[in-house]
Amino acid sequence: DSGVTQTPKHLITATGQRVTLRCSPRSGDLSVYWYQQSLDQGLQFLIQYYNGEERAKGNILERFSAQQFPDLHSELNLSSLELGDSALYFCASSVGFLRGADTQYFGPGTRLTVL
Amino acid sequence: AQKITQTQPGMFVQEKEAVTLDCTYDTSDQSYGLFWYKQPSSGEMIFLIYQGSYDEQNATEGRYSLNFQKARKSANLVISASQLGDSAMYFCAMRENTGGFKTIFGAGTRLFVKA
Repeated sequence: DSGVTQTPKHLITATGQRVTLRCSPRSGDLSVYWYQQSLDQGLQFLIQYYNGEERAKGNILERFSAQQFPDLHSELNLSSLELGDSALYFCASSVGFLRGADTQYFGPGTRLTVL
Repeated sequence: AQKITQTQPGMFVQEKEAVTLDCTYDTSDQSYGLFWYKQPSSGEMIFLIYQGSYDEQNATEGRYSLNFQKARKSANLVISASQLGDSAMYFCAMRENTGGFKTIFGAGTRLFVKA
């Protein structure tokens, strides 16, 4: 158990809908990352937050948005869902060091299926 | 631009033997970190080992060691004394410590350990 929690574990929804994925980081970690893992794209970095502020942005679609709250939990919002958004969404957390071994510990993931 | 290449989609190794999983990377940053993660069939991402770009010695963690050759931009993972439980997907990842702080993952290598 990495200490990172994600809810829900599974989510099934229809095209055009909007969903929210939730992540709670490990105790003491200030940074949260979101990743999408699909069969054809592999593991794609979406976005990183540090202590409530966006720190790095990856291949995140405009239909997706995220935020980190004052209690450090984070939410990833996916809207106007398409079939291709079906994937495993991981949250990871780290202390947030700018240098050195700022190891990311991953949550169990949320499996999103868009029908 | 950042790039991680894992050229071995799948590998077989006999139980109790050592195996090397290849990873090459490309970056223009001088300061960066390299990570290896294991993803068993259950889906979670497990951190294995870290190597910093300024670390002079190769990292080791139990049966895992990282063969870091900076000039060749390679960071191969060596697993000694393979066990059946090592059968999994292995991902190499890199984080640049300046600029965007993005983390990118390779496509992964699926390792099969034979009894």
